[in-house]
Amino acid sequence: DTGVSQDPRHKITKRGQNVTFRCDPISEHNRLYWYRQTLGQGPEFLTYFQNEAQLEKSRLLSDRFSAERPKGSFSTLEIQRTEQGDSAMYLCASSAQQGGTEAFFGQGTRLTVV
Amino acid sequence: QKEVEQDPGPLSVPEGAIVSLNCTYSNSAFQYFMWYRQYSRKGPELLMYTYSSGNKEDGRFTAQVDKSSKYISLFIRDSQPSDSATYLCAITLQGGSEKLVFGKGTKLTVNP
Repeated sequence: DTGVSQDPRHKITKRGQNVTFRCDPISEHNRLYWYRQTLGQGPEFLTYFQNEAQLEKSRLLSDRFSAERPKGSFSTLEIQRTEQGDSAMYLCASSAQQGGTEAFFGQGTRLTVV
Repeated sequence: QKEVEQDPGPLSVPEGAIVSLNCTYSNSAFQYFMWYRQYSRKGPELLMYTYSSGNKEDGRFTAQVDKSSKYISLFIRDSQPSDSATYLCAITLQGGSEKLVFGKGTKLTVNP
């Protein structure tokens, strides 16, 4: 499978715990994006990397959220001190094209905070 | 006013029908227009991408952009039960932010 891979697919955590998600983009794509999607809504942009540099962050990305892309390959998204409002699908996408176009998404990590 | 407006439906049609899905947007600086299909509990799948006014066809799918009206459409001909999914429009700026701005998505059911 040469698509975008996300791990884990599902995560249930207790409020206050930290969680970390991983994304492996399509290998030749230098652009990587994180989005969050809640039920009945379209995905909302969180952050963008070009290679290892984090170039854009949404106001949605509070100080409890941090993302990294060491060496410009895979990326991790960490949420500290999770809250119930963090329950959502976290989607990773990658692209070889400028401007966010032709972005290919992974299957997502579904987070449930109890 | 939201940047991208999309009627969430739901939309239910018989097999073989022509389906029309639509979005409007508010920012005339938006340049690139995409349609994604999302099956339940899956990630969005890119269907079509265009940047100019006019029509773009790919098999049973036609994407239409009218920049003067800030209106984009996706037409599905000869709809199939396998087309049942949520369809999301997504728009982005040229030379600016890399973020995609999505509509809420329209849930489509094609009945056999």
